[in-house]
Amino acid sequence: EAQVTQNPRYLITVTGKKLTVTCSQNMNHEYMSWYRQDPGLGLRQIYYSMNVEVTDKGDVPEGYKVSRKEKRNFPLILESPSPNQTSLYFCASSKRTGTGNYGYTFGSGTRLTVV
Amino acid sequence: KQEVTQIPAALSVPEGENLVLNCSFTDSAIYNLQWFRQDPGKGLTSLLLIQSSQREQTSGRLNASLDKSSGRSTLYIAASQPGDSATYLCAVYNNAGNMLTFGGGTRLMVKP
Repeated sequence: EAQVTQNPRYLITVTGKKLTVTCSQNMNHEYMSWYRQDPGLGLRQIYYSMNVEVTDKGDVPEGYKVSRKEKRNFPLILESPSPNQTSLYFCASSKRTGTGNYGYTFGSGTRLTVV
Repeated sequence: KQEVTQIPAALSVPEGENLVLNCSFTDSAIYNLQWFRQDPGKGLTSLLLIQSSQREQTSGRLNASLDKSSGRSTLYIAASQPGDSATYLCAVYNNAGNMLTFGGGTRLMVKP
């Protein structure tokens, strides 16, 4: 089954303790991205990657890091989490055509709480 | 900067009604537009993708239209069912095709 897999689904952590949320896709998609969803603010892009070793900032990158060493994986790293990073996080991937992305597939989400 | 607005924010209808959800965007230079469904606390499920060269797409009881010149898309749901209850999100691709901008969503409840 074609899918984007995120782990963990739920995570409660303390301020300042480094964490990584993993994302993996099995569709051989070139493009991957991370979003966070907050009440009243909707979905906002954190980082995206057009291909291996190519990453760029989205709208809200502060406090986050990413890496794209392999095509299928795109982990989201919070070096020093803070309570304002409590949110629902989604990873997405998309096929690239000659002119742009075609069809996004989203993971099931990771609900992160930072206390 | 692209802004996407969805109206209404919430909608409650009796089962069996046909309904229309609206999405408007400020920059008509878009690449594609995609409609998603999100159940509470869950991920996004793709419903329909409309390429910029297309005017509409259909899947079962769903029909989505796109009018780039006026900056609008509509999602038509025929013969609504309680299982259609969810939040519906419209997402616009930027012209470079590498970024999505989401609307705030329409929360739909279909009552039996």
